[in-house]
Amino acid sequence: KQEVTQIPAALSVPEGENLVLNCSFTDSAIYNLQWFRQDPGKGLTSLLLIQSSQREQTSGRLNASLDKSSGRSTLYIAASQPGDSATYLCAVVYGGTSYGKLTFGQGTILTVHP
Amino acid sequence: GEEVAQTPKHLVRGEGQKAKLYCAPIKGHSYVFWYQQVLKNEFKFLISFQNENVFDETGMPKERFSAKCLPNSPCSLEIQATKLEDSAVYFCASSQVQGAGYTFGSGTRLTVV
Repeated sequence: KQEVTQIPAALSVPEGENLVLNCSFTDSAIYNLQWFRQDPGKGLTSLLLIQSSQREQTSGRLNASLDKSSGRSTLYIAASQPGDSATYLCAVVYGGTSYGKLTFGQGTILTVHP
Repeated sequence: GEEVAQTPKHLVRGEGQKAKLYCAPIKGHSYVFWYQQVLKNEFKFLISFQNENVFDETGMPKERFSAKCLPNSPCSLEIQATKLEDSAVYFCASSQVQGAGYTFGSGTRLTVV
């Protein structure tokens, strides 16, 4: 079964810390992997997309890596801020999946306190 | 900016009643997806479309759920005879290309009482 798992389920850190969120997937034959952010009562905002041929992507203070052989991705957030508080979701488009169906992890709830 | 518009934002139905949710994808986006988010952030894929054609409906409880994307109309997700376990937030997403560039709507919260 093609699954996505995220750890930790929740994380609380003081402002300014660098942090790492983890995502693992069960099948290395992926099309791409995406990280999303969800704020309470809102939809998903796409943060980073890593194609299967890529190793990492960066956007501002965010860096996401992909290791297909080990079935893992990490999202690194530098110098965290209270505004980063949200749920972070990892989602995989598995190879062969028709028309881009996303398989989501359970999410990591991040709280950054001042 | 452009957005995926979902209506209504909130919907309350008595058990056994019908519920109908709407999604207007971004103009020019050919692909539409419906997801169900239940407690603990679990996102479940329901169905996908390319234009008005169903492409993957493996996530749909077919006996009660149906969906359409017709030309010049919002897409719709209909639940006949709602059950308590249908209570969830239903998200619609659209994309221009397969597998990337998703824009999600803000969801419809369905509460079945």
